[in-house]
Amino acid sequence: SQQGEEDPQALSIQEGENATMNCSYKTSINNLQWYRQNSGRGLVHLILIRSNEREKHSGRLRVTLDTSKKSSSLLITASRAADTASYFCATDNAGNMLTFGGGTRLMVKP
Amino acid sequence: ETGVTQSPTHLIKTRGQQVTLRCSSQSGHNTVSWYQQALGQGPQFIFQYYREEENGRGNFPPRFSGLQFPNYSSELNVNALELDDSALYLCASSLEGTLGETQYFGPGTRLLVL
Repeated sequence: SQQGEEDPQALSIQEGENATMNCSYKTSINNLQWYRQNSGRGLVHLILIRSNEREKHSGRLRVTLDTSKKSSSLLITASRAADTASYFCATDNAGNMLTFGGGTRLMVKP
Repeated sequence: ETGVTQSPTHLIKTRGQQVTLRCSSQSGHNTVSWYQQALGQGPQFIFQYYREEENGRGNFPPRFSGLQFPNYSSELNVNALELDDSALYLCASSLEGTLGETQYFGPGTRLLVL
């Protein structure tokens, strides 16, 4: 079963716009991670936010975590065509055994 | 590139057969996890190995089994293949001992069961 649910399932934007993806989960967590996947290939780790953190930045990425609402968001600013991919949130509540959501498919049009 | 390699990249089997997938962890990592990703879905945790012992298991039947070797490389074995086993199989390595350590994923093995 999948703990996380991403919203929206698919997102299409123009290059230069911002993209926001949301993730909800069900149980308590140690941390929440965001991954990117291009065309059904391997997952690339983007950012990890711990349960005692509320916001984290990495380059054009901004992640927020609200443990009271059991939700997280990933913001990609100034999107590029190369950002086109599927994005997954994953929760870790026991020793790096991740529970993934269903993903958001992002398309950035040039 | 994460330093995690998997072989083979693609595989076609028929129902009832057995398959072995291989994973070489990133240097220095002592923990490997395996995930199954069906088409259009997120990965699902199969199991994790730490220092050659199974450290945790997801909701997968016993016909999914694994091994971790002293050099921390790993195998995933699936017996009595079913059509629903068709998926991308991903392994990920990490360094146990620190909560929330980043996992590094390999490129995956795509298995098709006919």
